Amino acid sequence: DTEVTQTPKHLVMGMTNKKSLKCEQHMGHRAMYWYKQKAKKPPELMFVYSYEKLSINESVPSRFSPECPNSSLLNLHLHALQPEDSALYLCASSEGQGTYTFGSGTRLTVV
Amino acid sequence: RKEVEQDPGPFNVPEGATVAFNCTYSNSASQSFFWYRQDCRKEPKLLMSVYSSGNEDGRFTAQLNRASQYISLLIRDSKLSDSATYLCVVNTGNTPLVFGKGTRLSVIA
Repeated sequence: DTEVTQTPKHLVMGMTNKKSLKCEQHMGHRAMYWYKQKAKKPPELMFVYSYEKLSINESVPSRFSPECPNSSLLNLHLHALQPEDSALYLCASSEGQGTYTFGSGTRLTVV
Repeated sequence: RKEVEQDPGPFNVPEGATVAFNCTYSNSASQSFFWYRQDCRKEPKLLMSVYSSGNEDGRFTAQLNRASQYISLLIRDSKLSDSATYLCVVNTGNTPLVFGKGTRLSVIA
């Protein structure tokens, strides 16, 4: 299995909702990442997990809360988001400093 | 100076043309280099790694000049399906990959 699977593919949520994005990989990769990508911009790093521990938080607002339940799963919990948080949220994994494999992303719209 | 700089384009080229993209990086300690391709509304996918000796994969050739901190991607005999954004990506060792802003390519029939 050489894929990173993200669910859901699309999500529309209100500003008072709580939702979660899920990411799964079975490649044995020890590093997992959340990126946010706005239209016509490069991916912007949000969080890095290394060996299931949060190693980097790029000053992301607390309304985004990551969680790594085990080495294959990565969640991003969303609460009280703003319309400007609408974007494509990408999960990626890598083995060490090697190439990243990206999931197909969750397209999030906050209304 | 941004860590990884690319010409954003867009590059509009006819089918069959040869097109070259350039990228510069600022951190001389950078260790590995990649080109990723991203189609509209899709995720980035690895196109090829870039090695000091240069490497070729079919119609695609990547070059690295460490002295000038410069990376290039050459696409020969462009196809319509090559239309995408090409991201120059750099690994500085202990930090996550650093992405350039991407170069948009449109291949026109």
